[in-house]
Amino acid sequence: DSGVTQTPKHLITATGQRVTLRCSPRSGDLSVYWYQQSLDQGLQFLIQYYNGEERAKGNILERFSAQQFPDLHSELNLSSLELGDSALYFCASSVAMDNEQFFGPGTRLTVL
Amino acid sequence: AQSVTQPDIHITVSEGASLELRCNYSYGATPYLFWYVQSPGQGLQLLLKYFSGDTLVQGIKGFEAEFKRSQSSFNLRKPSVHWSDAAEYFCAVVPILTGGGNKLTFGTGTQLKVEL
Repeated sequence: DSGVTQTPKHLITATGQRVTLRCSPRSGDLSVYWYQQSLDQGLQFLIQYYNGEERAKGNILERFSAQQFPDLHSELNLSSLELGDSALYFCASSVAMDNEQFFGPGTRLTVL
Repeated sequence: AQSVTQPDIHITVSEGASLELRCNYSYGATPYLFWYVQSPGQGLQLLLKYFSGDTLVQGIKGFEAEFKRSQSSFNLRKPSVHWSDAAEYFCAVVPILTGGGNKLTFGTGTQLKVEL
């Protein structure tokens, strides 16, 4: 158990819908990262927050957004969902900007 | 372009045999280097990391990795594989930057199968 929690574990929804994935970092970690794992794209970095501020952005679609709240938990919002958004979404956290990242168990999103 | 290459998509070894998984990176400067393991239906678990110093690093579960600057490689090894090691293994790098983020860039993964 890495100490990073993600909810829900599974999510099934329809095209065009909007969902919110939630992540709670390890106690004491200030940085949160979101990654997407799909069969065709592999593991890809989406976005990073550090102590509430966005620090880095990867291949994140405009339909996706994220935020980190004052209690340091983070949410990833996915809207206007498409079939291709079906993937495993991981959250990771680290103490600071240059430390190893610890991953949560992931949220498996299925878009029908 | 910056990249991480894991040339072996699948590897099969017999239980008790030694294992080496290859990883090469292409970056302007030596990045931070990591190996993660993902068991079926599970998240990613950090096996070991290299930031600086001794080029042979020890990790959990009996794994080790050697950083070779001249070859831009960070290969993962284990002297004797156990059936429970069957999983997918990912090499990952983080460029050493000041300011900015430290996103992980992953290789495509190597699926390890262990024959009993």
